Amino acid sequence: IQLTQSPSFLSASVGDRVTIPCRASQAISNYLAWYQQKPGKAPKLLIYGATTLQSGVPSRFSASGSGTEFTLTITSLQPEDFATYYCQQLYSYPITFGQGTRLEIK
Amino acid sequence: QVQLQESGPGLVRPSQTLSLTCSVSGDSIMSGAWSWIRQPAGRGLEWIGRIYTNGLTNYNPSFESRVSLSLDTSRNQFSLKVNFVTAADTAVYYCAREEFDSGWYADSWGQGTLVSVSS
Repeated sequence: IQLTQSPSFLSASVGDRVTIPCRASQAISNYLAWYQQKPGKAPKLLIYGATTLQSGVPSRFSASGSGTEFTLTITSLQPEDFATYYCQQLYSYPITFGQGTRLEIK
Repeated sequence: QVQLQESGPGLVRPSQTLSLTCSVSGDSIMSGAWSWIRQPAGRGLEWIGRIYTNGLTNYNPSFESRVSLSLDTSRNQFSLKVNFVTAADTAVYYCAREEFDSGWYADSWGQGTLVSVSS
């Protein structure tokens, strides 16, 4: 299953609301996770089950979607949110990741 | 708080075997599932495989049977071996703990270890 994250780069300002899309090449129900990765660091789980916020993740992060279309939303961007975001499908083997969306400061 | 730490050689010769170990603290490897993911420099994430507490495994077919995972319950560790490595296997390798809820997702990660394949 291929996951497409477009755009690959996104520019935004502190305080903005941004949405990051992820499209699956076939239906995956809600078997999707979102991760945040900062340079030189391991990915960090944000969302699982397509919409469930991982414990400890700020509530400005939310996600929606099912089937083939998914979205990660960040409201009121903070400086620490500028990073690369990956979606991952957990539905079938091989497990795959999207190519990532890099969120940059405008 | 679970912690994972990868260890192993940082340099492997072409055609040799890459061997990494993930040491787990704060949790028992007899719960959940455990996986390896890698990331070439400047590129995205690639899932390598998963091992369950009963020893069963799932692998990414793209590795064409070069990969094997194992558990060492006495040391609370799990390991990765990649045979016949080439320069394309140069990457940061992460180990992760997985939990299940609408699929197995990685909720805790090691810091990653860089493995270079070069003669």
